[in-house]
Amino acid sequence: DIQMTQSPSSVSASVGDRVTITCRASQGISSWLGWYQQKPGKAPKLLIYAASSLQSGVPSRFSGSGSGTDFTLTISSLQPEDFATYYCQQANSFPLTFGGGTKVEIK
Amino acid sequence: EVQLVESGGGLVQPGGSLKLSCAASGFTFSGSAMHWVRQASGKGLEWVGRIRSKANSYATGYAASVKGRFTISRDDSKNMAYLQMNSLKTEDTAVYYCTRRTWDDSSGYSDYWGQGTLVTVSS
Repeated sequence: DIQMTQSPSSVSASVGDRVTITCRASQGISSWLGWYQQKPGKAPKLLIYAASSLQSGVPSRFSGSGSGTDFTLTISSLQPEDFATYYCQQANSFPLTFGGGTKVEIK
Repeated sequence: EVQLVESGGGLVQPGGSLKLSCAASGFTFSGSAMHWVRQASGKGLEWVGRIRSKANSYATGYAASVKGRFTISRDDSKNMAYLQMNSLKTEDTAVYYCTRRTWDDSSGYSDYWGQGTLVTVSS
């Protein structure tokens, strides 16, 4: 199975800050990576697919990059509604696997 | 509007069975792959399994942790997906989500999620 490792596990940031989350795959997954946002008590929401493609309706302050084994999710200017937990998921092969999550908290 | 609504969760004893349902609307269900993902309280997301479309022979696949105990099925005439869970263990306690995939391949993504249904396995 492909292991997905996210870092950091949590980050404290202020509104307006630039936030970067990293996801590393245990083996190459090309660009088959998605990023999801989850707020407490809610279902996850797809933000980015294919490593860098913005899902319809997602604000442009979210961006993704990377290929192979190393990926990043960047929030260019953190907004109050962005405080949530973020997960990466590889879509290269089954079983699909998620990273452990990164909680973005208010500083 | 795409909607996925799970039902069937509840309290069940270890070793028991439960069947979850996912009612889909707002998209061409018969052409979509459907996946199940679960989340234990305070924990991360875990992929459970999937069922492909008729065009792909309704192929299924499962996580190792549930293989042989869980079965995913679908009824395209009713726009429904199901997760039959047998031989339940306490570690199966979680919120279960059904999700629609962007395309019917491993490289797809879950672009729509239901609200989740809670399964509690306890004596």
